Amino acid sequence: DAKTTQPTSMDCAEGRAANLPCNHSTISGNEYVYWYRQIHSQGPQYIIHGLKNNETNEMASLIITEDRKSSTLILPHATLRDTAVYYCIVRLNNNAGNMLTFGGGTRLMVKP
Amino acid sequence: NAGVTQTPKFRVLKTGQSMTLLCAQDMNHEYMYWYRQDPGMGLRLIHYSVGEGTTAKGEVPDGYNVSRLKKQNFLLGLESAAPSQTSVYFCASSYPLTGGAFRVNEQYFGPGTRLTVT
Repeated sequence: DAKTTQPTSMDCAEGRAANLPCNHSTISGNEYVYWYRQIHSQGPQYIIHGLKNNETNEMASLIITEDRKSSTLILPHATLRDTAVYYCIVRLNNNAGNMLTFGGGTRLMVKP
Repeated sequence: NAGVTQTPKFRVLKTGQSMTLLCAQDMNHEYMYWYRQDPGMGLRLIHYSVGEGTTAKGEVPDGYNVSRLKKQNFLLGLESAAPSQTSVYFCASSYPLTGGAFRVNEQYFGPGTRLTVT
């Protein structure tokens, strides 16, 4: 699996967009980019994933660069409840018992 | 839908005692997983199951056993608890190929079981 690099921490003002970057320069052509978050003392929560096109759902948007070496998760209007550790994971989408490898992630602090 | 539920939420065991953690999901998922998370660390896969009646070892299986007798339930057993097994245990589930969309990596997690072994 390709390795990912994320900033250790970020701050965001409530109501503003939170843009969380992720570098995955060794990503292979058939690996997907997944984003999860973990709010304190809770289980991880799936947010979004993509292959090469930008994706949007009710939680967030995912922007993947044309060369696929980096991506950005966008929370359009961050709230205090979005304070969490955000994990960028690169995985093949195959028929195996897949262990999700959570690295250090980015600790996002949304401030009033 | 309740999603993924775990029982119990908290437990304290003495070294050598045994217990079973129960995970239940009502999303008709084929795949189920048990992870452990130690303080300040990421998740590590203990065991997983790709269908009723099947189980497989993950990254850290020693000291644990699992069973998947029913599709909706995945049990994690500790036969003889050790202090090194003090951790937060998360269960997760996901589903394989459905309608052309392979979503195995969309894993849905339970709230966790906090286990302390003294």
